Amino acid sequence: AQSVTQPDIHITVSEGASLELRCNYSYGATPYLFWYVQSPGQGLQLLLKYFSGDTLVQGIKGFEAEFKRSQSSFNLRKPSVHWSDAAEYFCAGHGSSNTGKLIFGQGTTLQVKP
Amino acid sequence: NAGVTQTPKFQVLKTGQSMTLQCAQDMNHEYMSWYRQDPGMGLRLIHYSVGAGITDQGEVPNGYNVSRSTTEDFPLRLLSAAPSQTSVYFCASSSSDSSYEQYFGPGTRLTVT
Repeated sequence: AQSVTQPDIHITVSEGASLELRCNYSYGATPYLFWYVQSPGQGLQLLLKYFSGDTLVQGIKGFEAEFKRSQSSFNLRKPSVHWSDAAEYFCAGHGSSNTGKLIFGQGTTLQVKP
Repeated sequence: NAGVTQTPKFQVLKTGQSMTLQCAQDMNHEYMSWYRQDPGMGLRLIHYSVGAGITDQGEVPNGYNVSRSTTEDFPLRLLSAAPSQTSVYFCASSSSDSSYEQYFGPGTRLTVT
C-alpha cells in the first residue's frame, strides 16, 4: 500500500542551526512529493514539490528537499533556521493513479530555541 | 481568484445533529478532497472526487457523505454527529495541470458535544 512516513514527531533546533526533516515514502512508481507547512491555527502552505527532473528542489522561505529514489526519501532541509520557522511540517505524496488524492505523513513539529 | 473557500470557520454541534460543511473552488480544478486533521495523526482523507458526479471514499469515510454536482462545489455532510468527529476539516482542490499540488481552504474547526 502507498504510504508516507515522517519518523520524527517533534524536533527542536536552535535558531541559526541547520535543519533536516525526514520523509520516507512507499510507492510503486515515482510519486509526486510535497512538503507543506502549517503555522499554529493556520491552514497549509506549500513549501515545495517534486515530480520529475532535478532531484534537488528549491522552495519558498529558503527550504530545499532532495529526492533519493534508492532510499525512498524526500528530506526537507534548511541551512539556517529562523524563529518564524517554528510550525508543523507535513510530507505528502501522490501516486500514479489519476485521483488527485494525497497521502500525508503524520507531521513533524518544529520548535526553535532562541 | 478566491481559491478554495470553506464555511463555516467554526461550528459546535450536539451529538446526533447533522450539518453540511461547504467548500467551493474557482480554479476549475477537476479533483477535490476532504481531510480531517487530528493531533498526531496528520491529515486523513475522508472523501474525494475526480470530477462532477464522481466521488469515492478515502481512509475515514464513515459518518460522512459527499456529492459533487458541479466542478466548483464539494459539500461534506455529517449525518449524525458524534464526539469522535470533533476535528479540523480541510477541503482541497488540485489539477493534473499543476502536478496535483493541493490547494487548501482555511479549514473548519468542528466541536461535537
